[in-house]
Amino acid sequence: AQTVTQSQPEMSVQEAETVTLSCTYDTSESNYYLFWYKQPPSRQMILVIRQEAYKQQNATENRFSVNFQKAAKSFSLKISDSQLGDTAMYFCAFMKHRGGSEKLVFGKGMKLTVNP
Amino acid sequence: DARVTQTPRDKVTEMGQEVTMRCQPILGHNTVFWYRQTMMQGLELLAYFRNRAPLDDSGMPKDRFSAEMPDATLATLKIQPSEPRDSAVYFCASALGVTPGTEAFFGQGTRLTVV
Repeated sequence: AQTVTQSQPEMSVQEAETVTLSCTYDTSESNYYLFWYKQPPSRQMILVIRQEAYKQQNATENRFSVNFQKAAKSFSLKISDSQLGDTAMYFCAFMKHRGGSEKLVFGKGMKLTVNP
Repeated sequence: DARVTQTPRDKVTEMGQEVTMRCQPILGHNTVFWYRQTMMQGLELLAYFRNRAPLDDSGMPKDRFSAEMPDATLATLKIQPSEPRDSAVYFCASALGVTPGTEAFFGQGTRLTVV
């Protein structure tokens, strides 16, 4: 079974600073997908970024980028130039590559607060 | 603006009552998930469907929970009878499950409180 661990329950950062959220996972699969989801106070789960394990290049989406270390089973999210709207819970999630196995396994989440 | 719609947004009910949560997936999506979020357990998959057929409901307590898709535009999650430990936020998500790694789009969830 796959497990996802987010060891930092909470972080805070000043506006415009850079922050890194950590995530580790455990799996015996060789191909899989990793995701970061954001959950603001509205409760809506929003996809931030996605990484395919067989791609060596780290994914980036505007101010969001990941540091994917496959051998270490590590998948951290870097938020640059943080904004007040980035305040939210952030969840790391794992999905198998196999067709018909689209279910997500989530970490427990991390609360990020961006202060003015 | 395509989105997953869940109703009700919030529900307070008494222990022992039946609760029905509804979800309208994004039009054209053929995969529907039900997740439950609690402080203690985080987000857990309860069940998911492909083309209206259940693929995995191993995360769902079978004695009181049931999930169905009467048609492609409606998914339901029922709890009968409800118990205080069922208090949680229940999320529905949908995806176009054609290729692996496809994004799941979430609804805003139903916050259930059982008193």
